[in-house]
Amino acid sequence: GAVVSQHPSRVICKSGTSVKIECRSLDFQATTMFWYRQFPKQSLMLMATSNEGSKATYEQGVEKDKFLINHASLTLSTLTVTSAHPEDSSFYICSARTGDGSPLHFGNGTRLTVT
Amino acid sequence: GQNIDQPTEMTATEGAIVQINCTYQTSGFNGLFWYQQHAGEAPTFLSYNVLDGLEEKGRFSSFLSRSKGYSYLLLKELQMKDSASYLCAPLPGGSYIPTFGRGTSLIVHP
Repeated sequence: GAVVSQHPSRVICKSGTSVKIECRSLDFQATTMFWYRQFPKQSLMLMATSNEGSKATYEQGVEKDKFLINHASLTLSTLTVTSAHPEDSSFYICSARTGDGSPLHFGNGTRLTVT
Repeated sequence: GQNIDQPTEMTATEGAIVQINCTYQTSGFNGLFWYQQHAGEAPTFLSYNVLDGLEEKGRFSSFLSRSKGYSYLLLKELQMKDSASYLCAPLPGGSYIPTFGRGTSLIVHP
C-alpha cells in the first residue's frame, strides 16, 4: 500500500516555457502532499507543502509565482514550473503520507532539464 | 532549526556489516526515519524509530537514543545492491515534516 505515482519521469524543455508535474496517491487519500527538489549530491530540500482545497505553504526562498502548486483532489497535486530557466534544472520529487506520524512515500521523481 | 550530521561516504565489503551513524538536533522530536536512495531514484522508506532502542527488520536495523540525539542504521550481510545513499530524517515536533540531511553514500565492493 501507500503508492505514490509521479509523471513525467523525465522532461526536457526550452528556457521560458512551463512544465507541469503530476503527483498522485494511488491507494490512499492524501490531504497533504510535499514537493522536494534535489540537486546532484545535495540533500532533499522541501519546496512546499500542498494542501487539498487550499493554498500551498511555501518554504522560505521558494518563489510561489514560479512554482505553482495545485491540490485539486485528495489524490492529485500538481507542480508547474513557470518560465523555466536552466538553473531550474533539477530532480523534483513529490511525496505523501497517510497520517502525521507516518513515513513519507515518494513518487519516482521527475528529472527536469531546461535548455 | 534543524541540524543533521552523517558521514558523507562509507565503503564496505560484500557480506560485511556496516553501521551508519546520525546525530541530530531538532525543535521538538516525533521520531526518526531512515531512507535509502539509489542514484537517480527517489528515496524509499526503510525504518521509523520513535522510542529508544533497536528496531530490527531483516538485514536492516535502526537504533535510537533520544537523550543523545543519536541514531544508527545497521546493515548486515551486505550485498552489492545496498550501494546507495542512506538518509537520516528526524521528525521535528509541530510540523511533522521530516528534515533530510545530505545522506551517507555507501559503496559496497566485492
